[in-house]
Amino acid sequence: AQKVTQAQTEISVVEKEDVTLDCVYETRDTTYYLFWYKQPPSGDLVFLIRRNSFDEQNEISGRYSWNFQKSTSSFNFTITASQVVDSAVYFCALSFSIGSSNTGKLIFGQGTTLQVKP
Amino acid sequence: KAGVTQTPRYLIKTRGQQVTLSCSPISGHRSVSWYQQTPGQGLQFLFEYFSETQRNKGNFPGRFSGRQFSNSRSEMNVSTLELGDSALYLCASSFGAGGNNEQFFGPGTRLTVL
Repeated sequence: AQKVTQAQTEISVVEKEDVTLDCVYETRDTTYYLFWYKQPPSGDLVFLIRRNSFDEQNEISGRYSWNFQKSTSSFNFTITASQVVDSAVYFCALSFSIGSSNTGKLIFGQGTTLQVKP
Repeated sequence: KAGVTQTPRYLIKTRGQQVTLSCSPISGHRSVSWYQQTPGQGLQFLFEYFSETQRNKGNFPGRFSGRQFSNSRSEMNVSTLELGDSALYLCASSFGAGGNNEQFFGPGTRLTVL
């Protein structure tokens, strides 16, 4: 069965600290996609990144970076020099194939609440 | 380009009533998915539609139904409301169907069942 686990329920850091949000996934599919979304207090889910199972290259976007390791089924997200505006709930998600069909159905982790204090 | 819009934003209903929620995807997007978000269960998949066809359905009772129109707009309906249906209902749109498409979420409809 497909599953996403975000073991960290809440993380609190002080501004400018680096923070890593963990995501571990389970799937038997060889083709799958991993996502990170941010949900700020306003409630809107904001897309951050999509990764397919064949691309293990790490990605960096400004202060954000993602580390995808198939060997450990992990897709971790690091924020460098955190800022107060980074305070939000972060969700890791997985989509996969059902039969021969690649579904857009997302399986979400429970989310990690990040609080960045000034 | 306008984002995903959902109406209404807030809704209060009583047990036993039914409700219809609406979602307008980003212009040009043909796929719409619905999710339910609650504090206890988190984000759970409800439906996925593409070109007016339901591609996938989540593990919800038959009281939850949906449809997609030819202009890609989608509605979901919940009949015989229960207290446990109180949640934030999120709609997401993507250009194509399948996980290789980025899904963009709307602001949600917050449903309260009394």
